[in-house]
Amino acid sequence: GEDVEQSLFLSVREGDSSVINCTYTDSSSTYLYWYKQEPGAGLQLLTYIFSNMDMKQDQRLTVLLNKKDKHLSLRIADTQTGDSAIYFCAETRGGYQKVTFGTGTKLQVIP
Amino acid sequence: EAGVTQFPSHSVIEKGQTVTLRCDPISGHDNLYWYRRVMGKEIKFLLHFVKESKQDESGMPNNRFLAERTGGTYSTLKVQPAELEDSGVYFCASSQGGRTRQWNTEAFFGQGTRLTVV
Repeated sequence: GEDVEQSLFLSVREGDSSVINCTYTDSSSTYLYWYKQEPGAGLQLLTYIFSNMDMKQDQRLTVLLNKKDKHLSLRIADTQTGDSAIYFCAETRGGYQKVTFGTGTKLQVIP
Repeated sequence: EAGVTQFPSHSVIEKGQTVTLRCDPISGHDNLYWYRRVMGKEIKFLLHFVKESKQDESGMPNNRFLAERTGGTYSTLKVQPAELEDSGVYFCASSQGGRTRQWNTEAFFGQGTRLTVV
């Protein structure tokens, strides 16, 4: 079955880079996503990557995908206090709507 | 344009009581999803509506949960009777219909309803 795992907590200093890691088990995953949940808010899609890509960069965000190891990471450059939130990794298979989420990583940014 | 809205934002009920959660999707979105996050665990899929029809309800935990989507607009999720393990945050999401059946980048989530069963 599908399984997506993340570490639960990450603490970084403001201005440093943050790297949030995720592993998944479904080799047929075709879309992989990073969502952000700020306190009291819903899930916000940050970025996504197709499984035939290795890397995607979007401003301060860099997504790396190692399909062989089924490992996905999200790097946030120059982390700010506003980046403090829970980050969820998620995957889905092409042509199917059901999304599998990870447990979420709580990012704490220390001023 | 209003986003996905959920009511209530927080509900505290006693074990054995009934609770009904409501989700108003973005107007015109045919797809509506319910997800749940139990404390500290992953967000799990519950079910998927296409308009008023249940497309996939494989994630519904048991028959104490009943979801409806009257007229293909808003949806309700009723828990009856509620148990302690039902506590968690219930998320609703919606996306447009159309040719693609894929969860796409235009799926929007509500802020969630935090359910606490005591």
